[in-house]
Amino acid sequence: DVKVTQSSRYLVKRTGEKVFLECVQDMDHENMFWYRQDPGLGLRLIYFSYDVKMKEKGDIPEGYSVSREKKERFSLILESASTNQTSMYLCASSSGRSEAFFGQGTRLTVV
Amino acid sequence: GNSVTQMEGPVTLSEEAFLTINCTYTATGYPSLFWYVQYPGEGLQLLLKATKADDKGSNKGFEATYRKETTSFHLEKGSVQVSDSAVYFCALRRDTGRRALTFGSGTRLQVQP
Repeated sequence: DVKVTQSSRYLVKRTGEKVFLECVQDMDHENMFWYRQDPGLGLRLIYFSYDVKMKEKGDIPEGYSVSREKKERFSLILESASTNQTSMYLCASSSGRSEAFFGQGTRLTVV
Repeated sequence: GNSVTQMEGPVTLSEEAFLTINCTYTATGYPSLFWYVQYPGEGLQLLLKATKADDKGSNKGFEATYRKETTSFHLEKGSVQVSDSAVYFCALRRDTGRRALTFGSGTRLQVQP
């Protein structure tokens, strides 16, 4: 089975902190994605990557950055967390144009 | 740009009722279409997909047909169960360019015994 693992299910951080969300996949997928999920808005794409050390902005990249140093790992970084970044964050991976496989999500609360 | 529109929820049904969740899309070319399901406290799981016009995706009693003429991909199930209670997301992926999925806002389904 394809497995996408996010490092934390729940996180609570303070305003202004630098926050790292980690995602690892075990299927050698070249594509990896970070979405945030908010009620009534569905999933919105933050950043994505098609290869190691490659990244592209999604629809809502402001306040975020990413890192992909190894093929299996894709990290989302909140440079200075703010309360409007309180959300559910979902990582996904895929190969070519196949369907995406999702992690279980990280619910981040910024206080 | 690409977009997906889903009917707003929540949808509340009794067990064994017929389910329809409407989904329409806007996209150029020939996108692939997906339905994902999210059970409480979990990530998204692929429910079914269709990659070209008139294809029917099916899984676990759910079906959806890719209708290019009406740009729709409505989800149906003939007899829902309490265990189908979840949030359902319609999504598309372009056939060229960006490989990321574009999602609708999700529809919450509540099935009562």
